[in-house]
Amino acid sequence: DAGITQSPRHKVTETGTPVTLRCHQTENHRYMYWYRQDPGHGLRLIHYSYGVKDTDKGEVSDGYSVSRSKTEDFLLTLESATSSQTSVYFCAISERGVRDTQYFGPGTRLTVL
Amino acid sequence: RKEVEQDPGPFNVPEGATVAFNCTYSNSASQSFFWYRQDCRKEPKLLMSVYSSGNEDGRFTAQLNRASQYISLLIRDSKLSDSATYLCGSGGATNKLIFGTGTLLAVQP
Repeated sequence: DAGITQSPRHKVTETGTPVTLRCHQTENHRYMYWYRQDPGHGLRLIHYSYGVKDTDKGEVSDGYSVSRSKTEDFLLTLESATSSQTSVYFCAISERGVRDTQYFGPGTRLTVL
Repeated sequence: RKEVEQDPGPFNVPEGATVAFNCTYSNSASQSFFWYRQDCRKEPKLLMSVYSSGNEDGRFTAQLNRASQYISLLIRDSKLSDSATYLCGSGGATNKLIFGTGTLLAVQP
């Protein structure tokens, strides 16, 4: 299995609070991705990174920001959490972007009350 | 219209059956295609990449039809352990892999 960890694995928070999710990889892959998965919507890309300090938006980026200050860590921040952001968040990595297999982390289950 | 579409199912099939899923994509610039398997409350894991010439891995066969813009997954001799959600993914000129909503397969004893 690819070396990807996500923290926390579960989190319950209240509306309006900031939340940061962390993705850590030990594979030295260039590309890192944040997805959310919801019933009826499948996996949707939030943001992705193609290198340190290089990030771009996905299809559902509103309300989220990301940072990547080193190869192994990709942070997802919800500046002010809303109930609509209750979801399962998956991080993924790949060596060569979409031409390559994406390996997923175990996921973070976030509940916003 | 979603960029990648799948029949959500569920597909309920008996053990030993052959089952096929299709996945359509709307971006004609898509260049890479994948099938992932996701077990309940787990992360997706790559099942197969889909090549232009088609590819086979044991009981699993994946095909790409560029003219009609769909990919398919055929599972022969279904096992109980094949029960899962199957996600297709399509990647284009950007570095974004777009997934379908997944097809749920339930193999019955």
